[in-house]
Amino acid sequence: DGGITQSPKYLFRKEGQNVTLSCEQNLNHDAMYWYRQDPGQGLRLIYYSQIVNDFQKGDIAEGYSVSREKKESFPLTVTSAQKNPTAFYLCASRPTGTGGRETEAFFGQGTRLTVV
Amino acid sequence: LAKTTQPISMDSYEGQEVNITCSHNNIATNDYITWYQQFPSQGPRFIIQGYKTKVTNEVASLFIPADRKSSTLSLPRVSLSDTAVYYCLVASTPGTDKLIFGTGTRLQVFP
Repeated sequence: DGGITQSPKYLFRKEGQNVTLSCEQNLNHDAMYWYRQDPGQGLRLIYYSQIVNDFQKGDIAEGYSVSREKKESFPLTVTSAQKNPTAFYLCASRPTGTGGRETEAFFGQGTRLTVV
Repeated sequence: LAKTTQPISMDSYEGQEVNITCSHNNIATNDYITWYQQFPSQGPRFIIQGYKTKVTNEVASLFIPADRKSSTLSLPRVSLSDTAVYYCLVASTPGTDKLIFGTGTRLQVFP
Protein backbone atom coordinates (compact mmCIF):
# COMPACT_ATOMS: atom_id res chain seq x y z
CA ASP A 1 0.00 0.00 0.00
CA GLY A 2 1.23 3.49 -0.81
CA GLY A 3 1.47 5.93 2.03
CA ILE A 4 3.52 8.06 4.34
CA THR A 5 4.97 6.60 7.51
CA GLN A 6 6.24 8.36 10.59
CA SER A 7 8.13 6.65 13.32
CA PRO A 8 8.08 6.28 16.19
CA LYS A 9 4.54 7.18 17.27
CA TYR A 10 5.69 8.21 20.75
CA LEU A 11 9.15 9.45 21.66
CA PHE A 12 10.59 10.48 24.99
CA ARG A 13 13.87 12.32 25.35
CA LYS A 14 15.79 14.08 28.05
CA GLU A 15 16.24 17.80 27.83
CA GLY A 16 19.38 18.78 25.95
CA GLN A 17 19.44 15.74 23.68
CA ASN A 18 19.01 15.87 19.94
CA VAL A 19 16.36 13.56 18.51
CA THR A 20 15.54 12.58 14.93
CA LEU A 21 12.02 11.88 13.72
CA SER A 22 11.59 9.65 10.70
CA CYS A 23 9.31 10.29 7.72
CA GLU A 24 9.17 7.94 4.73
CA GLN A 25 6.83 7.99 1.76
CA ASN A 26 6.37 5.61 -1.17
CA LEU A 27 3.97 7.83 -3.08
CA ASN A 28 6.67 9.14 -5.42
CA HIS A 29 5.89 12.68 -4.26
CA ASP A 30 8.43 15.43 -4.81
CA ALA A 31 7.31 17.78 -2.04
CA MET A 32 7.54 16.95 1.67
CA TYR A 33 6.71 18.99 4.76
CA TRP A 34 7.17 18.99 8.51
CA TYR A 35 4.65 20.59 10.86
CA ARG A 36 4.45 21.10 14.57
CA GLN A 37 1.14 21.08 16.42
CA ASP A 38 0.68 22.15 20.04
CA PRO A 39 -2.45 21.24 22.04
CA GLY A 40 -5.56 23.00 20.72
CA GLN A 41 -3.57 24.79 18.04
CA GLY A 42 -3.26 24.62 14.27
CA LEU A 43 -0.33 23.26 12.28
CA ARG A 44 2.80 25.36 11.99
CA LEU A 45 5.28 24.76 9.16
CA ILE A 46 8.83 23.91 10.23
CA TYR A 47 10.59 22.96 6.98
CA TYR A 48 9.60 21.90 3.51
CA SER A 49 11.36 20.36 0.54
CA GLN A 50 10.30 20.45 -3.07
CA ILE A 51 13.07 18.28 -4.48
CA VAL A 52 15.91 16.04 -3.36
CA ASN A 53 18.89 17.88 -1.84
CA ASP A 54 16.90 21.07 -1.42
CA PHE A 55 14.76 22.38 1.43
CA GLN A 56 13.47 25.69 2.78
CA LYS A 57 12.67 27.04 6.21
CA GLY A 58 9.08 27.38 7.22
CA ASP A 59 7.69 29.71 9.84
CA ILE A 60 9.29 28.09 12.91
CA ALA A 61 12.58 26.54 11.73
CA GLU A 62 14.74 27.65 14.65
CA GLY A 63 16.01 24.70 16.66
CA TYR A 64 15.23 22.18 13.92
CA SER A 65 17.19 20.72 11.01
CA VAL A 66 16.28 18.48 8.08
CA SER A 67 17.88 16.60 5.21
CA ARG A 68 16.53 15.34 1.91
CA GLU A 69 19.07 12.90 0.51
CA LYS A 70 16.43 10.61 -0.98
CA LYS A 71 13.07 11.38 -2.53
CA GLU A 72 11.37 8.98 -0.14
CA SER A 73 12.82 10.29 3.11
CA PHE A 74 12.69 13.61 4.96
CA PRO A 75 13.95 13.20 8.55
CA LEU A 76 13.57 16.00 11.09
CA THR A 77 16.09 16.56 13.87
CA VAL A 78 14.93 18.41 16.94
CA THR A 79 18.07 19.92 18.40
CA SER A 80 18.87 21.04 21.92
CA ALA A 81 18.49 24.62 20.68
CA GLN A 82 14.72 24.17 20.40
CA LYS A 83 13.42 25.81 23.56
CA ASN A 84 10.12 23.95 23.87
CA PRO A 85 10.27 20.76 21.79
CA THR A 86 7.40 18.85 23.38
CA ALA A 87 4.70 18.72 20.68
CA PHE A 88 2.95 16.60 18.07
CA TYR A 89 4.96 16.47 14.82
CA LEU A 90 3.35 15.77 11.46
CA CYS A 91 5.00 14.96 8.16
CA ALA A 92 3.24 15.37 4.82
CA SER A 93 3.93 14.89 1.14
CA ARG A 94 2.23 15.92 -2.04
CA PRO A 95 2.86 15.64 -5.75
CA THR A 96 3.90 18.52 -7.95
CA GLY A 97 2.76 19.03 -11.51
CA THR A 98 0.16 20.90 -13.49
CA GLY A 99 -3.58 20.61 -13.30
CA GLY A 100 -5.69 18.37 -11.10
CA ARG A 101 -5.32 17.63 -7.40
CA GLU A 102 -1.69 18.56 -6.88
CA THR A 103 -2.51 20.47 -3.74
CA GLU A 104 -3.81 17.40 -1.94
CA ALA A 105 -1.32 16.58 0.78
CA PHE A 106 -1.04 13.21 2.46
CA PHE A 107 -0.13 13.11 6.12
CA GLY A 108 1.53 10.57 8.33
CA GLN A 109 0.03 9.58 11.67
CA GLY A 110 2.37 11.84 13.59
CA THR A 111 5.03 11.52 16.28
CA ARG A 112 4.30 12.76 19.76
CA LEU A 113 7.56 13.98 21.27
CA THR A 114 7.87 14.52 24.99
CA VAL A 115 11.00 16.05 26.43
CA VAL A 116 11.52 15.62 30.14
CA LEU B 1 0.58 33.43 -0.18
CA ALA B 2 -3.11 34.00 0.35
CA LYS B 3 -4.01 34.05 4.03
CA THR B 4 -7.21 32.38 5.18
CA THR B 5 -9.59 33.33 7.96
CA GLN B 6 -12.11 30.92 9.50
CA PRO B 7 -14.33 30.91 12.58
CA ILE B 8 -12.54 29.40 15.55
CA SER B 9 -15.38 27.09 16.51
CA MET B 10 -18.90 25.99 15.62
CA ASP B 11 -21.51 23.83 17.30
CA SER B 12 -24.18 21.73 15.64
CA TYR B 13 -26.56 18.85 16.31
CA GLU B 14 -26.73 15.51 14.60
CA GLY B 15 -28.66 15.56 11.35
CA GLN B 16 -28.18 19.25 10.68
CA GLU B 17 -26.32 20.79 7.76
CA VAL B 18 -23.15 22.66 8.72
CA ASN B 19 -21.63 25.43 6.64
CA ILE B 20 -18.11 26.65 7.42
CA THR B 21 -16.97 29.75 5.60
CA CYS B 22 -13.37 30.65 4.84
CA SER B 23 -12.18 34.07 3.75
CA HIS B 24 -9.21 34.35 1.36
CA ASN B 25 -9.22 37.89 0.01
CA ASN B 26 -5.79 37.69 -1.63
CA ILE B 27 -6.31 34.49 -3.56
CA ALA B 28 -4.23 34.33 -6.75
CA THR B 29 -5.37 33.25 -10.19
CA ASN B 30 -3.69 29.85 -10.04
CA ASP B 31 -4.68 29.05 -6.45
CA TYR B 32 -6.94 26.15 -5.58
CA ILE B 33 -9.00 25.97 -2.38
CA THR B 34 -8.67 22.80 -0.37
CA TRP B 35 -10.32 21.66 2.86
CA TYR B 36 -8.90 19.17 5.32
CA GLN B 37 -10.35 17.41 8.35
CA GLN B 38 -8.34 16.52 11.44
CA PHE B 39 -9.28 14.25 14.33
CA PRO B 40 -7.34 14.40 17.61
CA SER B 41 -3.87 12.86 17.46
CA GLN B 42 -4.13 12.17 13.74
CA GLY B 43 -2.83 13.86 10.61
CA PRO B 44 -5.26 15.96 8.57
CA ARG B 45 -6.97 14.27 5.68
CA PHE B 46 -8.22 15.73 2.43
CA ILE B 47 -11.96 16.41 2.15
CA ILE B 48 -12.56 18.43 -0.99
CA GLN B 49 -10.90 20.82 -3.40
CA GLY B 50 -12.20 23.38 -5.87
CA TYR B 51 -11.28 26.28 -8.07
CA LYS B 52 -14.60 28.00 -8.75
CA THR B 53 -18.40 27.49 -8.56
CA LYS B 54 -19.48 24.31 -6.82
CA VAL B 55 -17.84 20.99 -6.20
CA THR B 56 -19.53 18.01 -4.59
CA ASN B 57 -18.25 14.63 -3.52
CA GLU B 58 -19.56 11.84 -1.31
CA VAL B 59 -18.53 13.69 1.84
CA ALA B 60 -19.13 17.41 1.32
CA SER B 61 -19.85 20.27 -1.02
CA LEU B 62 -17.68 23.30 -1.64
CA PHE B 63 -19.21 26.57 -2.79
CA ILE B 64 -16.97 29.23 -4.31
CA PRO B 65 -18.41 32.58 -5.47
CA ALA B 66 -17.32 34.20 -8.71
CA ASP B 67 -14.79 36.52 -7.04
CA ARG B 68 -13.21 33.52 -5.20
CA LYS B 69 -12.49 35.65 -2.13
CA SER B 70 -14.28 33.18 0.10
CA SER B 71 -15.45 29.59 0.09
CA THR B 72 -17.97 27.58 2.08
CA LEU B 73 -17.61 23.97 3.08
CA SER B 74 -21.01 22.34 3.48
CA LEU B 75 -21.40 19.12 5.46
CA PRO B 76 -24.88 17.61 5.00
CA ARG B 77 -26.58 15.90 7.93
CA VAL B 78 -23.62 15.79 10.29
CA SER B 79 -23.12 12.98 12.76
CA LEU B 80 -21.12 12.75 15.98
CA SER B 81 -18.18 11.39 13.97
CA ASP B 82 -17.91 14.70 12.11
CA THR B 83 -16.65 16.34 15.30
CA ALA B 84 -13.19 17.49 14.21
CA VAL B 85 -11.13 20.49 13.19
CA TYR B 86 -11.59 21.70 9.62
CA TYR B 87 -8.87 23.63 7.80
CA CYS B 88 -9.18 25.74 4.70
CA LEU B 89 -6.04 26.12 2.58
CA VAL B 90 -5.23 28.10 -0.50
CA ALA B 91 -2.35 26.82 -2.59
CA SER B 92 -1.30 26.89 -6.19
CA THR B 93 -0.51 24.34 -8.78
CA PRO B 94 1.99 22.99 -9.71
CA GLY B 95 2.18 22.37 -6.00
CA THR B 96 5.46 24.03 -5.22
CA ASP B 97 4.05 26.30 -2.52
CA LYS B 98 4.64 25.79 1.11
CA LEU B 99 1.33 24.72 2.62
CA ILE B 100 0.19 27.07 5.35
CA PHE B 101 -2.51 25.84 7.71
CA GLY B 102 -4.40 28.36 9.77
CA THR B 103 -5.96 27.69 13.15
CA GLY B 104 -8.92 25.86 11.60
CA THR B 105 -12.53 25.62 12.73
CA ARG B 106 -13.32 23.29 15.59
CA LEU B 107 -16.71 21.69 14.90
CA GLN B 108 -18.52 20.07 17.80
CA VAL B 109 -21.54 17.93 16.96
CA PHE B 110 -23.98 17.17 19.77
CA PRO B 111 -26.51 14.33 19.94
